[in-house]
Amino acid sequence: GNSVTQMEGPVTLSEEAFLTINCTYTATGYPSLFWYVQYPGEGLQLLLKATKADDKGSNKGFEATYRKETTSFHLEKGSVQVSDSAVYFCALTNNAGNNRKLIWGLGTSLAVNP
Amino acid sequence: DAGVIQSPRHEVTEMGQEVTLRCKPISGHDYLFWYRQTMMRGLELLIYFNNNVPIDDSGMPEDRFSAKMPNASFSTLKIQPSEPRDSAVYFCASRGLADPYEQYFGPGTRLTVT
Repeated sequence: GNSVTQMEGPVTLSEEAFLTINCTYTATGYPSLFWYVQYPGEGLQLLLKATKADDKGSNKGFEATYRKETTSFHLEKGSVQVSDSAVYFCALTNNAGNNRKLIWGLGTSLAVNP
Repeated sequence: DAGVIQSPRHEVTEMGQEVTLRCKPISGHDYLFWYRQTMMRGLELLIYFNNNVPIDDSGMPEDRFSAKMPNASFSTLKIQPSEPRDSAVYFCASRGLADPYEQYFGPGTRLTVT
C-alpha cells in the first residue's frame, strides 16, 4: 500500500541554520508528492509540491526534490527564521484512477529560536 | 474568498452528549474532506465527499460518527454519543477542479469531551 514516513521531531534550530526534514514514501504507480505546513492554531496549507520524478518544488525559500530512485522528498531550507516554526507534513497522492485522497506522514515539529 | 469556514472553533461537552461540527467549503470546490488530528495518531482522514456524495468513509471510527453533505456549501460531522477519546482537532478541507492536488483547510474545531 501507499505510505509516507518522515523524521520524528521535534527539531530545534537557531535562526539562520540549515534545515532538512527527511521524507520517504512507498507507493504504487507514479505518485505526486507534497509538503504542507501547519502554523500554530491554524489549519494546514500547501507549501510546495512535485508531480513527477526529478521535479523540484519550491516556495518561501523551502525546496524539495522528487527522487524516485531513493523514494524520497526531503524538505530543505538554507536559512530558517523564527517565523518558520510550525509542523511540517509530507504527503502523497497516487495518481492512479480517480482516488485523489492524500496519504499523510505524522508531521515534524520545527522550533526556531532567535 | 473567505476560505473554508468551520464552526464552532472550540467545543467542550460532556461524555454522552451529541456534538455537531459544521463546515462551509470554498465556493466551487467539488471535494470535501473531514480529518481528525491527535498527538497519538496524527492526521487521519475520516471521510470525503465528491459533488456532495460520500466516496470513502473507511476512516470513520465507528457508528457513533456520521457525516452529511446536504448541498455543495455545507457539511456536518456528528458524534453521538461523544466519548473522551473523541477529543481532538477536527479539520474540514475542500478541493476544486482548477487544482486537483491542493486541499484548502479550515482553521479546525478543537473538541474536548469531559
